Amino acid sequence: GAGVSQSPSNKVTEKGKDVELRCDPISGHTALYWYRQSLGQGLEFLIYFQGNSAPDKSGLPSDRFSAERTGGSVSTLTIQRTQQEDSAVYLCASSQDPTGSSTDTQYFGPGTRLTVL
Amino acid sequence: AQSVTQPDIHITVSEGASLELRCNYSYGATPYLFWYVQSPGQGLQLLLKYFSGDTLVQGIKGFEAEFKRSQSSFNLRKPSVHWSDAAEYFCAVGAPWGSQGNLIFGKGTKLSVKP
Repeated sequence: GAGVSQSPSNKVTEKGKDVELRCDPISGHTALYWYRQSLGQGLEFLIYFQGNSAPDKSGLPSDRFSAERTGGSVSTLTIQRTQQEDSAVYLCASSQDPTGSSTDTQYFGPGTRLTVL
Repeated sequence: AQSVTQPDIHITVSEGASLELRCNYSYGATPYLFWYVQSPGQGLQLLLKYFSGDTLVQGIKGFEAEFKRSQSSFNLRKPSVHWSDAAEYFCAVGAPWGSQGNLIFGKGTKLSVKP
């Protein structure tokens, strides 16, 4: 019955370090999305997992960003060699629609605030 | 290119006053349209959505939005604002076909409510 959860809620790291951000979607939801919310920039789509299909990585800003989803449930977003411009809130969302269309409501987690010093 | 524009970065209204938040989109076809609200420290919550049919859509918390194809707009309205409505509001579009589920968001409008 719980919503989408994300951990950690806050992460401070030094430039050049790698970070991993975790998302636990709502149980039974087949679609999972990662977005980035930078100050004054709104939400930017990063990557999208739908069932067993290959993920849509078209929003990833660079090859330093990667994500995986294990067992069709938990997802991890990894940022390698972090840069100061990576500082943002990273939001995860999940939806139930097995077709992956945008008609189904996306439920968002509270986000992980990443600060790169 | 597909895009969503929310022209007002910050709006302040008095409690009890009416509210209209503007949203314009640029898309190859009529997309699916959404409004989300983000309260401080909270995740985004869906207020309402439009796929087809009646162009006036009712949502939660007393909000409504009207789709105007000729203006490529989907403005959000509320007749009487409550202090608890202070939040950031995001308009978004989604692909009306296939399995492209990701949304394109505007940059948001921050709403402040004066007592």
